[in-house]
Amino acid sequence: AQSVSQHNHHVILSEAASLELGCNYSYGGTVNLFWYVQYPGQHLQLLLKYFSGDPLVKGIKGFEAEFIKSKFSFNLRKPSVQWSDTAEYFCAVNVKAAGNKLTFGGGTRVLVKP
Amino acid sequence: DTAVSQTPKYLVTQMGNDKSIKCEQNLGHDTMYWYKQDSKKFLKIMFSYNNKELIINETVPNRFSPKSPDKAHLNLHINSLELGDSAVYFCASSKGDILNTEAFFGQGTRLTVV
Repeated sequence: AQSVSQHNHHVILSEAASLELGCNYSYGGTVNLFWYVQYPGQHLQLLLKYFSGDPLVKGIKGFEAEFIKSKFSFNLRKPSVQWSDTAEYFCAVNVKAAGNKLTFGGGTRVLVKP
Repeated sequence: DTAVSQTPKYLVTQMGNDKSIKCEQNLGHDTMYWYKQDSKKFLKIMFSYNNKELIINETVPNRFSPKSPDKAHLNLHINSLELGDSAVYFCASSKGDILNTEAFFGQGTRLTVV
């Protein structure tokens, strides 16, 4: 069965620091990849997605992610975080052969200290 | 306007009770989902409906019964609630199947069974 791993459960950093969150998935076929963010008390929102084309994807709020097929990875990055980036971040994968569902990683809680 | 809305936001109930969570989307989407987020933050799909038809049922106990009266609504009814049902339940919707688009999520319903 496919799985999605997020390496860090908790990340604490200061404003203006750079952020990188790891995401690896276990399936070798064609995949669509997503990063969702959940701000405190709010619903999950899409940050960015990759379906095909340029493996470097730019999303909202200055986030980007790079799909590295050989490493089965889709890491999320932001060069300079703000206090408002405090949230839970979820990587998700849709495997085309597995049908109409998203498989999520366990989430990474990011706390940005002002 | 909330795109995907769930009610209630919080639900505390005793073991053995029957309860329902409602979900409505005003995005004109034809696919809706229920996801369960456990205490470790893992999000896992439970059901997927497309145009009121069940597409995915991920080995969920039959105490859980989704009902889709129309394609804008997907309600979740749970019979004989157990302690292990305590979790956050997220409703989501997408235009067509998730292979080609993103899912929009509701704010979640935190169910606590005591």
